[in-house]
Amino acid sequence: DGGITQSPKYLFRKEGQNVTLSCEQNLNHDAMYWYRQDPGQGLRLIYYSQIVNDFQKGDIAEGYSVSREKKESFPLTVTSAQKNPTAFYLCASSISLGQSQVPQHFGDGTRLSIL
Amino acid sequence: AQSVSQHNHHVILSEAASLELGCNYSYGGTVNLFWYVQYPGQHLQLLLKYFSGDPLVKGIKGFEAEFIKSKFSFNLRKPSVQWSDTAEYFCAVSYRGGTSYGKLTFGQGTILTVHP
Repeated sequence: DGGITQSPKYLFRKEGQNVTLSCEQNLNHDAMYWYRQDPGQGLRLIYYSQIVNDFQKGDIAEGYSVSREKKESFPLTVTSAQKNPTAFYLCASSISLGQSQVPQHFGDGTRLSIL
Repeated sequence: AQSVSQHNHHVILSEAASLELGCNYSYGGTVNLFWYVQYPGQHLQLLLKYFSGDPLVKGIKGFEAEFIKSKFSFNLRKPSVQWSDTAEYFCAVSYRGGTSYGKLTFGQGTILTVHP
């Protein structure tokens, strides 16, 4: 079955450490997204990528970085500059960013906590 | 800035009660509208969507939503809820045009608890 795989499911970060969250999709989707979910705040867009080797900042990109070297992969790095990284991170994909009529598919998420 | 507002953070109902969850958005242009649901321990999934045409949209599991353009609203309804509807519900908007083309903006989410 096609879908989005996020790993790990749980991740712990020490102070001053960078951590990378993995997101892989086998849906052949062009666009991929990273959202952060906090209680009472819904989902907020961190970064998105329309095609390989291209990505754009979302609404809360500070303290995060991404890469899109392959169509199926869109890893998110939470850097030490992100002062409040504890959250639930969701990866999503869609056929094309330009075709806004296509709803996005979501992974199961990674819960990041600070030690 | 474009925004989506869900009126209630937590709704508690008994089985067979009727449900209406409010959703309003701030943008005056052309939009696509979505409701997503996240059941406990499961990933976010699409409940229903509106692109154009009939403003009353029917989704899975007996849910429906009505787009009222004049009120910038897209409220979710279900005539009779079940215990299995316990979940968190998110309204989302995709704005067409400009730099926001295709991106989803989510509301804060509403937790629905249904007591048997």
